[in-house]
Amino acid sequence: DGGITQSPKYLFRKEGQNVTLSCEQNLNHDAMYWYRQDPGQGLRLIYYSQIVNDFQKGDIAEGYSVSREKKESFPLTVTSAQKNPTAFYLCASSMVPTGNQPQHFGDGTRLSIL
Amino acid sequence: GENVEQHPSTLSVQEGDSAVIKCTYSDSASNYFPWYKQELGKRPQLIIDIRSNVGEKKDQRIAVTLNKTAKHFSLHITETQPEDSAVYFCAASVLIQGAQKLVFGQGTRLTINP
Repeated sequence: DGGITQSPKYLFRKEGQNVTLSCEQNLNHDAMYWYRQDPGQGLRLIYYSQIVNDFQKGDIAEGYSVSREKKESFPLTVTSAQKNPTAFYLCASSMVPTGNQPQHFGDGTRLSIL
Repeated sequence: GENVEQHPSTLSVQEGDSAVIKCTYSDSASNYFPWYKQELGKRPQLIIDIRSNVGEKKDQRIAVTLNKTAKHFSLHITETQPEDSAVYFCAASVLIQGAQKLVFGQGTRLTINP
């Protein structure tokens, strides 16, 4: 979806380094999500946020951190505590549901270790 | 928590034939079931979804069926074409404190043979 922009497309991390992945949306969605995708596997939830200044851990939050200072932005930091960071990272957004609503994804960031 | 199993992991069909992918879920509170198509290196794209108050939904060559009693749902693609080749993911959603959480299956790699 053109309304969700992730950058950079490719990112390389040195050992002991923290790196930050950007996610911006102009869909006026309240909810935003970060997923990790490993080769040949499904998506696993890292963190999610329903509103500004609030976020919750997903299923694999260890070694990651997020912030939600603006409605449009939900950056993900991969810290040095994440020992196996190589993966495809996907950001998604959706309207806060009264009923369930579709999640729409950005183009992803591929993170590798140098 | 919710667990989603998806089968088969790979599927190869002749062009023009039908393809069926099946998913089962564990949490009876799940009430929204989207299907995503992901081409190599690209974002997952929503192709069809179904809510728990509906048993079947169709959109041109694509249909989804839901059996709440058995806790399984299926994707049906008829008259397959080469451009249907991709990885397909099912997901089940549950609302937790107003936040939608999607749990994804492991994916099915569909290959359409000309």
